[in-house]
Amino acid sequence: EAEVAQSPRYKITEKSQAVAFWCDPISGHATLYWYRQILGQGPELLVQFQDESVVDDSQLPKDRFSAERLKGVDSTLKIQPAELGDSAMYLCASSRLVTGELFFGEGSRLTVL
Amino acid sequence: AQTVTQSQPEMSVQEAETVTLSCTYDTSENNYYLFWYKQPPSRQMILVIRQEAYKQQNATENRFSVNFQKAAKSFSLKISDSQLGDTAMYFCAFMSLYGGSQGNLIFGKGTKLSVKP
Repeated sequence: EAEVAQSPRYKITEKSQAVAFWCDPISGHATLYWYRQILGQGPELLVQFQDESVVDDSQLPKDRFSAERLKGVDSTLKIQPAELGDSAMYLCASSRLVTGELFFGEGSRLTVL
Repeated sequence: AQTVTQSQPEMSVQEAETVTLSCTYDTSENNYYLFWYKQPPSRQMILVIRQEAYKQQNATENRFSVNFQKAAKSFSLKISDSQLGDTAMYFCAFMSLYGGSQGNLIFGKGTKLSVKP
């Protein structure tokens, strides 16, 4: 069964360093999402792509976060510089239709020291 | 803006018993989707059940069913014959079908369910 792939699974970094996360959605899924899940909370949307275009990045802290999906397939989420408050699970999800079921990856857990 | 509230941070149930998880939401939209997602420890989130707001009939998936009360903006999940594998965080989520938020899931804070042998 096809799955959403994410890497790395775990990342420990020091404050002010740069960090990047990668996501490969299920083949054929045009919509891709990045969510941030702080421990004990529900996920919150950072950015939504439709193919290579950003649909919603209203909650993305653009002074330090960036996201791209250049060829409309895989995607990269970057944080520079990382801050202590960025420690969280970063979840990638994809869906075939904009209003279809979201399929989630296992997430990338970031710890900022 | 839409909000989703799960008022039970933690719940426990004995194996084979039935448990109900509560969820309320707020929206001014008339048509939307509601979801329950399950997040087992250290594993990815998976869809449990989906309800389309225009459908009056409550959704059912095997041992999982919902009680959808549109006027009350309530969407509870009932798990029958609980199994040890049902131990997980359960998230209620709202999906708008319109505008810039189309397709985005708005999650509650989750309910941690423990099934005890």
